[in-house]
Amino acid sequence: GQQLNQSPQSMFIQEGEDVSMNCTSSSIFNTWLWYKQDPGEGPVLLIALYKAGELTSNGRLTAQFGITRKDSFLNISASIPSDVGIYFCAGRGTGNQFYFGTGTSLTVIP
Amino acid sequence: GAVVSQHPSWVICKSGTSVKIECRSLDFQATTMFWYRQFPKQSLMLMATSNEGSKATYEQGVEKDKFLINHASLTLSTLTVTSAHPEDSSFYICSARPGGEPQHFGDGTRLSIL
Repeated sequence: GQQLNQSPQSMFIQEGEDVSMNCTSSSIFNTWLWYKQDPGEGPVLLIALYKAGELTSNGRLTAQFGITRKDSFLNISASIPSDVGIYFCAGRGTGNQFYFGTGTSLTVIP
Repeated sequence: GAVVSQHPSWVICKSGTSVKIECRSLDFQATTMFWYRQFPKQSLMLMATSNEGSKATYEQGVEKDKFLINHASLTLSTLTVTSAHPEDSSFYICSARPGGEPQHFGDGTRLSIL
């Protein structure tokens, strides 16, 4: 299946720092989702985006649906230790299926 | 919120065994469910779309005779890994979309084939 390019692959940051990651696709998407996955568990939805240019926040998390509809961005402000995990973007085009990004592993150093 | 339950959470079995994994939507009906496979430290790869009352739609490269999917009711889809071998060991995750909401995931099934 299709896979989206996500960067960076991993991040090591100090507690309190802000985090930015992005996801790009070769095709246009109508929906972008951002998930967080802890080891041995299923992904948990963080933010859903449905319109090009849309900017949505969920607490310290903010995500944007790129204008070109081929990318999306996730920012985490003032990181804390519990932000540790793997973050995945997921996109859906005209079909019913969502395809996932390659993931960004986040480590927060207290 | 919408809950997707997956069972079992972990299974260990001998090579050649067939293993069934269940995915249930607990508080909503799901005409469509999705099955993903995830290797350690890698992303989720969509295997197939499970359609209630009809055949599943498999992604390219996924053997439909190897990974049998049955979506017999609006709240249950099953994935059967037939004649499993060590290379089938992986983390299998299902998801479902309640109404127009984004998909919600089960907690996954860790399959280990000896």
